[in-house]
Parts: sequence; C-alpha cells; structure tokens
Amino acid sequence: RKEVEQDPGPFNVPEGATVAFNCTYSNSASQSFFWYRQDCRKEPKLLMSVYSSGNEDGRFTAQLNRASQYISLLIRDSKLSDSATYLCVVRAVGTSYGKLTFGQGTILTVHP
Amino acid sequence: NAGVMQNPRHLVRRRGQEARLRCSPMKGHSHVYWYRQLPEEGLKFMVYLQKENIIDESGMPKERFSAEFPKEGPSILRIQQVVRGDSAAYFCASSPGRGKEGQETQYFGPGTRLLVL
Repeated sequence: RKEVEQDPGPFNVPEGATVAFNCTYSNSASQSFFWYRQDCRKEPKLLMSVYSSGNEDGRFTAQLNRASQYISLLIRDSKLSDSATYLCVVRAVGTSYGKLTFGQGTILTVHP
Repeated sequence: NAGVMQNPRHLVRRRGQEARLRCSPMKGHSHVYWYRQLPEEGLKFMVYLQKENIIDESGMPKERFSAEFPKEGPSILRIQQVVRGDSAAYFCASSPGRGKEGQETQYFGPGTRLLVL
C-alpha cells in the first residue's frame, strides 16, 4: 500500500465549478499535512498547509480527519488558472522531520 | 530574493557516465532536500542535508548516488555510472533552518531533468 494515495483523475470541470480531491495516508504517526500544486512538471509549489480544525484560503478549503487518515481539498469557483496537478503531501516522524512524502497527484483541468 | 537555483536545467548523459546536479538554496537557507520524480510518478524523498552534514539519507539508493552540502558552495547530487532508469526530474528544496529541525516549509527549485541515453 502506498504511503499517500490520491485519485489520479483527471478531473475535467467547467469554469465556476466546485471540485473536491481526497487523499488517504497510511502512517498514523504523520504530523504535518500539505497540498502542493505542480504545473506541467515544473516545481511543486505550496498551496496550503492542512490543520486539524480545517482551514480556508480564499476559494480553497482543506480538511483533515486524523481518525480516518484522510485529507481533502475543495476548490470553489474554479478558474482556468487552477488547471494543474494537486499533490497531497505528508510529513511523518521518521529518521528526521525533513522527509516529505508525496502522493502521485490528482490532475485537474478547468475548461471554459 | 532569488529562489532555489538548480543547474543544469537539462542534462543528457550516456550510460556509464557521471551526472552532477547542483542546488543553491534560497538566500539565508541552510537546509537542503533532494527529491526525484520518475516519469508518471510522484516525487520521492532522497536526502536531507545541512551544511557539511547528512541528516537523513533514507531515500538514497545504496549504490552510485551521493550527496553533499559543503560549507561553501552549492549542494551537489552525484550519480555515478548512470543507467537509463536514472532518467528523471531531480528537485532540490531548501528551508531556513531556524525552526524545529526539518519541520519547516520547503521551497522547491525548478529541477534538473536528467536523460540517460
């Protein structure tokens, strides 16, 4: 079983749509959680951290359920510029805190 | 403030040659991380370094791969005797190193795309 699992998609949605991505992680000792986005195999960029209480940043809302080991990302009012691969990322206690574990990514395409 | 710099951006090597990938962290950052992204796969952690120290190399292949972050100059990821399976994008990230060790946001460089013929 992969440490971080995501539905690879692709998700094809029209502008203005609401879309949700899910992610599960296998290591219950995981400490920190993030969503990154990656455009056309460029470098990953931090979209937002995910907190237990849930958090929102503009059109983006992230949720964490530690009991189910489940993370979600909701994008409201999708824009063409939201088209990218969304990476679920987990940091677990291990040899060090430096290791980030990435999911394979969910591809989102927003069309006019 | 320049971001994380990596060079070269593209590198072509023949099987058996050596590949050297360089990473200059963001200004003021003293922690460096290397990740590899194979075609159609997610990023995989390779190694975490501070100046002159390897903190975590749990993701490094046992043979042919080495990394360093000297007191002066960029971090280097070195791959000896490359094989076709080494073809991938290699991303470097850095963090300030002022917070709890390793528990900081990592900022990624543009990557080096290695192609082994």
